[in-house]
Amino acid sequence: AQSVTQLDSQVPVFEEAPVELRCNYSSSVSVYLFWYVQYPNQGLQLLLKYLSGSTLVKGINGFEAEFNKSQTSFHLRKPSVHISDTAEYFCAVVPLGGGGADGLTFGKGTHLIIQP
Amino acid sequence: DGGITQSPKYLFRKEGQNVTLSCEQNLNHDAMYWYRQDPGQGLRLIYYSQIVNDFQKGDIAEGYSVSREKKESFPLTVTSAQKNPTAFYLCASSRTQTGPNSGNTIYFGEGSWLTVV
Repeated sequence: AQSVTQLDSQVPVFEEAPVELRCNYSSSVSVYLFWYVQYPNQGLQLLLKYLSGSTLVKGINGFEAEFNKSQTSFHLRKPSVHISDTAEYFCAVVPLGGGGADGLTFGKGTHLIIQP
Repeated sequence: DGGITQSPKYLFRKEGQNVTLSCEQNLNHDAMYWYRQDPGQGLRLIYYSQIVNDFQKGDIAEGYSVSREKKESFPLTVTSAQKNPTAFYLCASSRTQTGPNSGNTIYFGEGSWLTVV
């Protein structure tokens, strides 16, 4: 089984400042990793995903994440945030292949609050 | 436009009543999912379906039922056996039967709010 820990439930940041949202995972097998964003009262939208290759993954809206296998982490970063980035962010994992199709395991989310 | 449509957006349920949440997708995706979201709890998987006429229980299936009679439709019924049904429900789909296990993205609908009154 897999588990995901998002270390911060809320992260307040001033506008135009950099931000890092932390995600650690636990799994006995190799995994794919995802970051989703949820704006108030809406569904989730994919920001980026890591499948293989370069450990630095670039996504939409200027976000990027770095996969660190030894630390089992997949932290999300943005060099300069905007008011419009205020949202809930979810990290998720799924085991590779094996014929499974049981969906993603999500962390509990981090609420990013941008202060003017 | 292609996408996932959930209805209704808001639904109120009386004690002891069954209610059904609709989910329709026109993305021609094989796999479909239902998640429940509670504040501060993240998303938890209720049921998933890889193909028509087949579905599997997720982590919190008790008190819920589903059907998959058509590829594009995956309705969720919240039964009276679900003791704490007030939550935000999200339907999702993925292109292949194995979904994200093959690296495919899961796409989400806009969600439905269910409140017990």
